[in-house]
Amino acid sequence: QPVLTQSPSASASLGASVKLTCTLSSGHSHYAMAWHQQQPEKGPRYLMMLHSDGSHTKGDGIPDRFSGSGSGAERYLTISSLQSEDEADYYCQTWGGGIQVFGGGTKLTVL
Amino acid sequence: EVQVVESGGGLVQPGRSLRLSCSTSGFTFGDYGVTWVRQAPGKGLEWVSLIRNAADGGTTDYAASVRGRFTISRDDSKSNAYLQMNSLKTEDTAVYYCARDRRYSSGSYYPDFWGQGTLVTVSS
Repeated sequence: QPVLTQSPSASASLGASVKLTCTLSSGHSHYAMAWHQQQPEKGPRYLMMLHSDGSHTKGDGIPDRFSGSGSGAERYLTISSLQSEDEADYYCQTWGGGIQVFGGGTKLTVL
Repeated sequence: EVQVVESGGGLVQPGRSLRLSCSTSGFTFGDYGVTWVRQAPGKGLEWVSLIRNAADGGTTDYAASVRGRFTISRDDSKSNAYLQMNSLKTEDTAVYYCARDRRYSSGSYYPDFWGQGTLVTVSS
């Protein structure tokens, strides 16, 4: 079963860009995975599916500022032109062996 | 407009049962799977259970932490899903989220629309 590893925290300035990383465990680098955003005191929101070839499919209404990349063990979520509402927890998620798995989440602070 | 709304949470004593409901609208419910995910206070997301659509046999999966105690089900005629939680433990205390799951490939699903959650507190 896959394991997803995320850095606990990240920060970047308003208007800048930030790249969040999610690492798939050994033997699972070819898995597709999804990114989800959770703003404070809200339910999660699906951002995009990141396919094993590095392409991504975004959810409805997700701004162009959000993009995904990476085709190996390391997968990325890049947010450009950071806005205050981007301050949130970001979770990567995949599945395998009859279970779904979430990374521990990265708390993004917008300075 | 897609809507996913959880209900049924509350305060319950250890060892007792609780049934959560997930009411949906705005899409063809039968085409999708349903996932329950929980979040303990101050913690990250933890997957709980998945039920696939009828085309994939309506099969179910459970996290090891709830297998044998929780049962997921669905009623396609009402566009609803449910989570029956028995033998509750204090460590089951969490906000429980229901999510619409899109089919990625045979048997594989991922959440693409989430509800706002319902709080379950297990305490004496």
